[in-house]
Amino acid sequence: KAGVTQTPRYLIKTRGQQVTLSCSPISGHRSVSWYQQTPGQGLQFLFEYFSETQRNKGNFPGRFSGRQFSNSRSEMNVSTLELGDSALYLCASSLAPGQGAHEQYFGPGTRLTVT
Amino acid sequence: GNSVTQMEGPVTLSEEAFLTINCTYTATGYPSLFWYVQYPGEGLQLLLKATKADDKGSNKGFEATYRKETTSFHLEKGSVQVSDSAVYFCALANSGGYQKVTFGTGTKLQVIP
Repeated sequence: KAGVTQTPRYLIKTRGQQVTLSCSPISGHRSVSWYQQTPGQGLQFLFEYFSETQRNKGNFPGRFSGRQFSNSRSEMNVSTLELGDSALYLCASSLAPGQGAHEQYFGPGTRLTVT
Repeated sequence: GNSVTQMEGPVTLSEEAFLTINCTYTATGYPSLFWYVQYPGEGLQLLLKATKADDKGSNKGFEATYRKETTSFHLEKGSVQVSDSAVYFCALANSGGYQKVTFGTGTKLQVIP
């Protein structure tokens, strides 16, 4: 079974631009979560989607948004990029919230650098 | 709210040494507990989990026991290898519903030959 895939793997943007990251979950998984990982803040939860609806949201500004499609694939968007948005963005999929005791499977991440 | 506290790293050990990485948590109810591992340049992988008190999760020689009385889930391995060098994350999630997973800050382990 193929794992979680994320595209692109690396991205360089300038301040003020916007970016869209993509995540394809494991086949059969319907829940997708997004995390931001930085050396200073560690792993921070962005949001979780299930059945095309955002079910949970972390403490990030409205510049961070996401969506999920009917095939469970998910995208996240960051508008008006700031230098502090430079991070590794990780996507994780699971069967569904509450199932499998939230066992999540992570993709390799997208490394975003904002200059 | 929920929180996870891990011992700070980096932890440097010689090959075949005994490993303990401490993890304590604060949560309401009866959360599930996890250890994830992140190898350089990769995403996180689930290492082991425990879903109720006194459960022991184990995988690849690693073990952790869910201790509700001390709210702890310490990771142990009897004999580490160079290939165990990675960052280890302790995490918890309340069961049921749309609850986010709360991660610790991670502990970097370096094993030297």
